[in-house]
Amino acid sequence: QQPVQSPQAVILREGEDAVINCSSSKALYSVHWYRQKHGEAPIFLMILLKGGEQKGHDKISASFNEKKQQSSLYLTASQLSYSGTYFCGTEMRNNNDMRFGAGTRLTVKP
Amino acid sequence: GAGVSQSPSNKVTEKGKDVELRCDPISGHTALYWYRQSLGQGLEFLIYFQGNSAPDKSGLPSDRFSAERTGGSVSTLTIQRTQQEDSAVYLCASSARERGGKDTQYFGPGTRLTVL
Repeated sequence: QQPVQSPQAVILREGEDAVINCSSSKALYSVHWYRQKHGEAPIFLMILLKGGEQKGHDKISASFNEKKQQSSLYLTASQLSYSGTYFCGTEMRNNNDMRFGAGTRLTVKP
Repeated sequence: GAGVSQSPSNKVTEKGKDVELRCDPISGHTALYWYRQSLGQGLEFLIYFQGNSAPDKSGLPSDRFSAERTGGSVSTLTIQRTQQEDSAVYLCASSARERGGKDTQYFGPGTRLTVL
């Protein structure tokens, strides 16, 4: 039930863009995105509930393709502060708990 | 309190000993989760409490692990006869979700467990 994230790691220069993907083998009710900085707890970024829904958060946005059972997180014009590990969490229909992917380690360099 | 708190922040124990980890969720949050995160790894689901419903224990790795939530608030995760592979950061999260609703989770700072 654990979603699969790709890539596992990505290194960017400041100002570059990145896409992080999250896919599931089962139908999804919702997708959540979290970011965790080293030594800190994960923090919530956004939640997507409807197929095709896109949400934005500063220059970080996400889409949810319910049919394809996947979500993508888009980071545009990356900043140093974007560095961290990004996790997607998925909820199945009629299910109560969330499963997280293994994470994508993003490093933004000056 | 303002956020989720966990105690202790660090715990070093000897192999074979029992440990108890505590989580104080945000007041009023009905849902509480425990996760385990090994060094450089993702979040491994352990157990989920929702209101007065029976907890979802499907993520507990062995019968040495158990958890309870008293009065719908504080939760304790107990690991019996600890093993070195139990070493990890144990994270607790709570949310105000209702069944079938949105589930924004707020994480505590975690307890770093080291089993020698």
